[in-house]
Amino acid sequence: SQQGEEDPQALSIQEGENATMNCSYKTSINNLQWYRQNSGRGLVHLILIRSNEREKHSGRLRVTLDTSKKSSSLLITASRAADTSSYFCATDGSDSSYKLIFGSGTRLLVRP
Amino acid sequence: DGGITQSPKYLFRKEGQNVTLSCEQNLNHDAMYWYRQDPGQGLRLIYYSQIVNDFQKGDIAEGYSVSREKKESFPLTVTSAQKNPTAFYLCASMGRTNEKLFFGSGTQLSVL
Repeated sequence: SQQGEEDPQALSIQEGENATMNCSYKTSINNLQWYRQNSGRGLVHLILIRSNEREKHSGRLRVTLDTSKKSSSLLITASRAADTSSYFCATDGSDSSYKLIFGSGTRLLVRP
Repeated sequence: DGGITQSPKYLFRKEGQNVTLSCEQNLNHDAMYWYRQDPGQGLRLIYYSQIVNDFQKGDIAEGYSVSREKKESFPLTVTSAQKNPTAFYLCASMGRTNEKLFFGSGTQLSVL
């Protein structure tokens, strides 16, 4: 399975600080995506980075991808209480770009 | 209003009973997915379908069945063979490969 593993499992920071979450995966990929999920809800897409990209930005989000290490990181700058959520990475596989596998997630708490 | 609709929001299953979870999308997406989420865990792929009349097993397909007779609909049946069905079930769709997933709001299934 190419399932990603994320660390840390849980992260607690003060509002205004930066939050960094990491994702590792096992097999070759075409792209890697990050999602967030509020408790009891569906997931919301944040950002997609392709295997030939090394870094991507979207607002306060910065994603990096290192295919040689099979890892990615999500950085949220200047965090807000509203960023409190669970964050998941998802990878496809080189054998099927339709088969999307999710990691175990990082639970982020941003304290006001 | 385009999106994915899952119903019901809460569902209870009796011992030995089959139950069916509904997932409908009006996004004109070809690909649809079913994931299972246990408390505090990541998402695990049950089944996915790239196109009408075709579907593939995910990592935990045992005890589940699906059909894809219409582009808009991808119902999931939790059979009596699934001995531990209590979980949060999420349906998603994707327009084309290498794009993001759109998620429904989920169905919480519990065993009586």
